[in-house]
Amino acid sequence: GQQVMQIPQYQHVQEGEDFTTYCNSSTTLSNIQWYKQRPGGHPVFLIQLVKSGEVKKQKRLTFQFGEAKKNSSLHITATQTTDVGTYFCAGYPSGTYKYIFGTGTRLKVLA
Amino acid sequence: DTEVTQTPKHLVMGMTNKKSLKCEQHMGHRAMYWYKQKAKKPPELMFVYSYEKLSINESVPSRFSPECPNSSLLNLHLHALQPEDSALYLCASSQDRTGGNTIYFGEGSWLTVV
Repeated sequence: GQQVMQIPQYQHVQEGEDFTTYCNSSTTLSNIQWYKQRPGGHPVFLIQLVKSGEVKKQKRLTFQFGEAKKNSSLHITATQTTDVGTYFCAGYPSGTYKYIFGTGTRLKVLA
Repeated sequence: DTEVTQTPKHLVMGMTNKKSLKCEQHMGHRAMYWYKQKAKKPPELMFVYSYEKLSINESVPSRFSPECPNSSLLNLHLHALQPEDSALYLCASSQDRTGGNTIYFGEGSWLTVV
């Protein structure tokens, strides 16, 4: 079946260090979304990427969609303790009418 | 603050009980979803309603029964659950079920089956 994998599964960083999570799909995606879930919270939408090779920035966060539309990445520059949480990508394969969530990357930021 | 409201926030039920989870949104969204999330796992899609009709059932056991009384409400009826069904149940909504729409999640209902 269709799968969306994320690496790494966990990442501990010192505050101020950079962080990157990678998302890989077994099938081509129409678009991809990224969500953040704080500990004990619910997923919150961050951004959507639609075009091949697209790059979007939100302050310290940079999102990329691969040329083949099968992978994506989220990069956080100079992490802060408020960045703690699990980051999920969610891919939308054509014709499926549903998003498939990636396995998630749990980020812990040490002050 | 989320615009998708779920009740109850916490529920403990026995394996012979019948209970319901409720979800409400007033954003005019025509797609509503139930997800199940176990600890340290991604949300797992259970059901999708589109324009108040069930459009996707991800082979969910019949002890979970969804209901969409109107475009703003979504229920999940629970009966004869097993301890392994203990999880966070997330309701969500989007403009419609096509890709490209933001999915808005509720805060979830934490379910414990004893």
